[in-house]
Amino acid sequence: GENVEQHPSTLSVQEGDSAVIKCTYSDSASNYFPWYKQELGKRPQLIIDIRSNVGEKKDQRIAVTLNKTAKHFSLHITETQPEDSAVYFCAATRKGADGLTFGKGTHLIIQP
Amino acid sequence: DTAVSQTPKYLVTQMGNDKSIKCEQNLGHDTMYWYKQDSKKFLKIMFSYNNKELIINETVPNRFSPKSPDKAHLNLHINSLELGDSAVYFCASSQVGGQGGGELFFGEGSRLTVL
Repeated sequence: GENVEQHPSTLSVQEGDSAVIKCTYSDSASNYFPWYKQELGKRPQLIIDIRSNVGEKKDQRIAVTLNKTAKHFSLHITETQPEDSAVYFCAATRKGADGLTFGKGTHLIIQP
Repeated sequence: DTAVSQTPKYLVTQMGNDKSIKCEQNLGHDTMYWYKQDSKKFLKIMFSYNNKELIINETVPNRFSPKSPDKAHLNLHINSLELGDSAVYFCASSQVGGQGGGELFFGEGSRLTVL
């Protein structure tokens, strides 16, 4: 089955700086790579996703890059704000009916 | 209008008891899931249910059984509860259509505490 590794487990950045979270996956057949944000006590919510036929996708301050050859993908958040503080999860799957395999999460802390 | 709803939100029970968590989605999605989030926040797939096909994560004990009365509902029944079952259980749904993955819509979660 798929295995997703995520780093770092905790990331502390100054407000206004950029944050980068990295993930690797094991199954070369995986073709869908979403990122979820989970605030304390809340449900995970999708913030951005990318499919294997695309190398990069951007939505305002967040962007995701995918390197299929190296089997890794990254989340980039620019101009971080206090409301970006949360746990972020990367995930991968090759077939939706199998469900997503999640990384272990990154606790992003935005320092004022 | 809540897209994915699950009940109860909190569940406190004794070891050895049997309990159920209910989940309903009104999004018309074809696939529903149960995920377990442990104390370290790790999210792990337990089951997915798509067009009457049940896919079970091989690591899930057979004390856990999903039941789907129809496409909009996927309930989770747990027998003989153990301390290690304490976690937050999330129901989710997605429109997959046989293709690669699609966005998961999560319920609010059900926090199970086994004493």
